[in-house]
Amino acid sequence: DTGVSQDPRHKITKRGQNVTFRCDPISEHNRLYWYRQTLGQGPEFLTYFQNEAQLEKSRLLSDRFSAERPKGSFSTLEIQRTEQGDSAMYLCASSPQVGTQYFGPGTRLLVL
Amino acid sequence: GDSVTQMEGPVTLSEEAFLTINCTYTATGYPSLFWYVQYPGEGLQLLLKATKADDKGSNKGFEATYRKETTSFHLEKGSVQVSDSAVYFCALTDSGEGNTPLVFGKGTRLSVIA
Repeated sequence: DTGVSQDPRHKITKRGQNVTFRCDPISEHNRLYWYRQTLGQGPEFLTYFQNEAQLEKSRLLSDRFSAERPKGSFSTLEIQRTEQGDSAMYLCASSPQVGTQYFGPGTRLLVL
Repeated sequence: GDSVTQMEGPVTLSEEAFLTINCTYTATGYPSLFWYVQYPGEGLQLLLKATKADDKGSNKGFEATYRKETTSFHLEKGSVQVSDSAVYFCALTDSGEGNTPLVFGKGTRLSVIA
């Protein structure tokens, strides 16, 4: 399967813990995006990269959130000191320099 | 900022009925427009897209036409099937190339009954 992959698919954590999610894009895609989707809503943009450079961060991305793409391939999204409001589906997508975004299956986070 | 408004669901149709899901947008410049679909338990999949005014995107019997004069991108299908039951999202990017962050509508849940 050469699609976008995300790990883990599900994560349950306690409030105050740190969590990290991983996204592996389609191999030839140099742009990588993170979105968050809460129940009954459309996905909301968090941040995106071109290769290893982070091009834009949404105001939704508080100081507790950090994303990296150190070698321009896979990316990680870390949430520190999780809160119940962080419970959501975290989606990763990738695209070529010019072209459409393709999404991974998502990581569902539940903060207790 | 840019925004997308789509009709509220849920929409329930009988098999072989005609489907329309309305989508309107607000954007500066010349956005690209998309419909994504999310089947139960699966990730978002691109259904169709249009990158300039009067373009028609089509796939799997679904169609949508980019109407700049009405800022709309309504999704249509002539005869729905039970397998079309899913959540449909209208979205835009501010880039004609489609490679900048997507702005999504809230989604419309479609249920098709036999």
